[in-house]
Amino acid sequence: DTGVSQDPRHKITKRGQNVTFRCDPISEHNRLYWYRQTLGQGPEFLTYFQNEAQLEKSRLLSDRFSAERPKGSFSTLEIQRTEQGDSAMYLCASSFSTSGRIYNEQFFGPGTRLTVL
Amino acid sequence: GQSLEQPSEVTAVEGAIVQINCTYQTSGFYGLSWYQQHDGGAPTFLSYNALDGLEETGRFSSFLSRSDSYGYLLLQELQMKDSASYFCAVRVNTGRRALTFGSGTRLQVQP
Repeated sequence: DTGVSQDPRHKITKRGQNVTFRCDPISEHNRLYWYRQTLGQGPEFLTYFQNEAQLEKSRLLSDRFSAERPKGSFSTLEIQRTEQGDSAMYLCASSFSTSGRIYNEQFFGPGTRLTVL
Repeated sequence: GQSLEQPSEVTAVEGAIVQINCTYQTSGFYGLSWYQQHDGGAPTFLSYNALDGLEETGRFSSFLSRSDSYGYLLLQELQMKDSASYFCAVRVNTGRRALTFGSGTRLQVQP
């Protein structure tokens, strides 16, 4: 399977615990995005990487959230001191661009569903 | 702020044509995308419009009017498998890659 993969697919944690999610983008894609989606809503942008550089961060990304893409390949999203309001589906997407062309399609992974008890 | 409005639900019968509208109010505009999401699945890309007019891809077409801040997705020859949620999404400007999504339109196709 050469699509975007995310791990774990489901995570149940207690309030106050830290959690970390992993995203593996399509291998040749240089852009990686994190979104959060709650039931009945569209995805909400969290952050964006081009290669290893984090170029955009949403105001939704409080100081409890941190994302990394250390080698420009996989990425991790960590949530510290989880709160019940963090319960959501966390989606990763990737896309490809070159200096000569922008591809507008973002390819989404299956998501990690987080439940905070 | 950014806002995108789309109907929450649409129902249609197999073989019919359905149009899902999207109006947007954003601080800038670079392009309008449409994504399909089946229950429990990941969003998948359907189409993208940066310029006014109609883009056709098989049974799906997407239209954009920048002057009206309006677009629509047209689904023809509806099939049961088209039952899903459809999201419009705006990219605000060239300097930002983030997409701002609408709340989605749940399409139910009936036999």
